[in-house]
Amino acid sequence: GAVVSQHPSWVICKSGTSVKIECRSLDFQATTMFWYRQFPKQSLMLMATSNEGSKATYEQGVEKDKFLINHASLTLSTLTVTSAHPEDSSFYICSAFPPGDYGYTFGSGTRLTVV
Amino acid sequence: GQQLNQSPQSMFIQEGEDVSMNCTSSSIFNTWLWYKQEPGEGPVLLIALYKAGELTSNGRLTAQFGITRKDSFLNISASIPSDVGIYFCAGQSRLMNSGYALNFGKGTSLLVTP
Repeated sequence: GAVVSQHPSWVICKSGTSVKIECRSLDFQATTMFWYRQFPKQSLMLMATSNEGSKATYEQGVEKDKFLINHASLTLSTLTVTSAHPEDSSFYICSAFPPGDYGYTFGSGTRLTVV
Repeated sequence: GQQLNQSPQSMFIQEGEDVSMNCTSSSIFNTWLWYKQEPGEGPVLLIALYKAGELTSNGRLTAQFGITRKDSFLNISASIPSDVGIYFCAGQSRLMNSGYALNFGKGTSLLVTP
């Protein structure tokens, strides 16, 4: 199959600190990965598109200096939430588009709680 | 991205009943996808539709890609308690610079009582 692994599954951090979330494609290479944010009882909202070897593309209204994305290899993208605040608490989900008829494949998500 | 119109927003049904939900869009999509999301998990793909008019089944699930390519429905027959979750439709379109964009509906929350 096509598996996207996301780590950690949950994290609690203090306000003002930074948190890094990893997204890996386990059995395929992904030149592009996507980062979504989901608030309770709401749909997924695309934050940014992560491109291997180049800068990420951010959606309108998403602060690129706050949500740092690094796509260091064909199987790994990281999202770093810098200087986190309670309003950044959310469910962050990554996805990739593996070859074949899998459609977008999502990671299991990371629940971030900023206290 | 564009938000799709998904309905109903929620459903509360008894085990054994059939369920139907749909999505509409003002834009044409190349592919329609249906996902299920359980609490604390990422969405899992249920059915992918690639051709206008296509009707595809996956066990008790059946989905159709509208002729106009602007809508899709998902049916679940003989529901069971483990069908509980949030179901999202998603329209997939190809980007000019290669790659694909995915636009989600707001989700249908399904509750099934034994």
